[in-house]
Amino acid sequence: GDSVTQMEGPVTLSEEAFLTINCTYTATGYPSLFWYVQYPGEGLQLLLKATKADDKGSNKGFEATYRKETTSFHLEKGSVQVSDSAVYFCALPEGQNFVFGPGTRLSVLP
Amino acid sequence: EAQVTQNPRYLITVTGKKLTVTCSQNMNHEYMSWYRQDPGLGLRQIYYSMNVEVTDKGDVPEGYKVSRKEKRNFPLILESPSPNQTSLYFCATRRGGRGYEQYFGPGTRLTVT
Repeated sequence: GDSVTQMEGPVTLSEEAFLTINCTYTATGYPSLFWYVQYPGEGLQLLLKATKADDKGSNKGFEATYRKETTSFHLEKGSVQVSDSAVYFCALPEGQNFVFGPGTRLSVLP
Repeated sequence: EAQVTQNPRYLITVTGKKLTVTCSQNMNHEYMSWYRQDPGLGLRQIYYSMNVEVTDKGDVPEGYKVSRKEKRNFPLILESPSPNQTSLYFCATRRGGRGYEQYFGPGTRLTVT
């Protein structure tokens, strides 16, 4: 079946540092790809998505580009803030389900 | 405002005492599902429903029941809870069809003693 692999972390950065969280996938065809974020004590929220190859999703300063050549959808942000501390999940649809990566915990220190 | 609500948010119960966690959405979405989230195991789907009166098992359905009598509601029922069902539960909803993003509820933290 389809699968998602992402770096598990935890990742600890200083405020204003550059962030990359790697995500690679295995899938049949070219599914839509998603990044979700889970802030402490909350449910998952959609952060960004891309629906086809070479699409770039962006939101709140985060970006990710759908790369079919490398089957990747890496999440990046140029300058993280303390408020970005959360767990980030890469995901793709499989049938009627979603396949989620294990999540990457990000801690940003002031 | 588009919302997925769950109740209760926190529940501590004892082994064998039946409980229901409710989930309701106001987005008129056809598809609803339940997940549990456990440390080191990530998110695992319990059950899903593609429309009213249509439900199917996810990856970890044992010990759970669901029903979908109305489009907006999708309760999760634990007939005889056990300690291994202690977990964080999320309801999610999305439009029908493939590729649409899911919207998650705030979660229900369940402890079974």
